Amino acid sequence: EVQLLESGGGLVQPGGSLRLSCVASGFTFSIYSMAWVRQPPGKGLEWVSTFGRTTGTYYADSVKGRFTISRDNSKNTLFLQMNSLRAEDTAVYYCAKRVAEPFYFDYWGQGTLVTVSS
Amino acid sequence: QTVVTQEPSFSVSPGGTVTLTCALSSGSVSSNYYPTWYQQTPGQAPRTLMYNVNTRSSGVPDRFSGSILGNKAALTITGAQADDESSYYCGLYMGNGISIFGGGTKLTVL
Repeated sequence: EVQLLESGGGLVQPGGSLRLSCVASGFTFSIYSMAWVRQPPGKGLEWVSTFGRTTGTYYADSVKGRFTISRDNSKNTLFLQMNSLRAEDTAVYYCAKRVAEPFYFDYWGQGTLVTVSS
Repeated sequence: QTVVTQEPSFSVSPGGTVTLTCALSSGSVSSNYYPTWYQQTPGQAPRTLMYNVNTRSSGVPDRFSGSILGNKAALTITGAQADDESSYYCGLYMGNGISIFGGGTKLTVL
């Protein structure tokens, strides 16, 4: 059974930093692309970043230069380092497993809430 | 900036049929964008419902179907049930590692 478990969310002041983690199980983590998708309270889904299996890293314009996605295949873990946080980054952050050809997100974690507020 | 547009809300009677759509500001939605539909109930994570236009995920009942209608992706629910009341999000793959979601459609079954 595929499981994705996010952690690391919390309350942070504007301009602060936070590091999210996502521990994966139930599949061969190293051969899949992984992504972060967020959802502000009461709003829709927004793609944040993808770590391609072999093709590098990709970011939404809204987070480019502030967020960094990384992974540790030895620990089946995906990370999102978030710096220079803004109020508009407040959201539930979901970790998602991404399939290639066809390209889509097939499994999602339960999410971790990040609140940026003073 | 590319925008994916969905109907903000829709209402359907139990047993009725409803079609939700997904439009792309930069042109037509085609299978090249691998349209995917996600279902989400309040407080829960999204669930992948339909991928690659019309392939149902495991466990998804066959009252859900996907298609391309004209220049949009579409999700049709035939014989809607009360537990279909959810928000539905369209997702597209834009290439170069970039994905984009629509604003979602809140479906009411009453």
